[in-house]
Amino acid sequence: DIQMTQSPSSLSASVGDRVTITCRASQGISSYLAWYQQKPGKVPKLLIHAATTLQLGVPSRFSGSGSGTEFTLTIDSLQPEDVATYYCQKYNSGPRTFGQGTKVEIK
Amino acid sequence: QVQLVQSGAEMKKPGASVKLSCKTSGYTFINYYIHWVRQAPGQGLEWMGLINPGGGSTSYAQKFQGKVTMTADTSTSTVYMEMSNLRSEDTAVYYCARDQGLAMPWLSFWGQGTRVIVSS
Repeated sequence: DIQMTQSPSSLSASVGDRVTITCRASQGISSYLAWYQQKPGKVPKLLIHAATTLQLGVPSRFSGSGSGTEFTLTIDSLQPEDVATYYCQKYNSGPRTFGQGTKVEIK
Repeated sequence: QVQLVQSGAEMKKPGASVKLSCKTSGYTFINYYIHWVRQAPGQGLEWMGLINPGGGSTSYAQKFQGKVTMTADTSTSTVYMEMSNLRSEDTAVYYCARDQGLAMPWLSFWGQGTRVIVSS
């Protein structure tokens, strides 16, 4: 099965900083990748699908890039409401594996 | 609007079984796959499997094969997930989630989650 590995596992940044989270697939998955945001105590929310397509209503400071085995989620100008854990998930054939998550905090 | 409403919290003893429900509304039930995802306390999201309510076909993560059974009731637009031989490691919040449709398998809509506690 394809494994999904995120880095870092946690980060602390200041309001206004640019934040980048990486997700690596153990095998190529083309662009079959989604990003989810889970705020503390809340249900996960879809941010991005097809590696780069922002879900309707998601602030434009979020963006996704990559294809194949390496993907990034970028938050331009981190805001206090972005404190959350972010997960990538592959959704091509086989198990729809999630990455282990990246916890984002405000410094 | 699309809604997925899950059944209430469960407390079970080790070795027991539990059957969770996910009642859907606001869309054509048979046209969208339902996935189950769990999250142990303080841990990440773990994909368990999916069901196609249209035909009843299922796909489970290898870890859950033989332990989990997903079914769908088209008369009530409800999906069920039964998990057997519960262990303390099955203590988690269980989410059902709907994908976006054919060839759009990302999880766009989520239930509120059901907490399952397994303890003697």
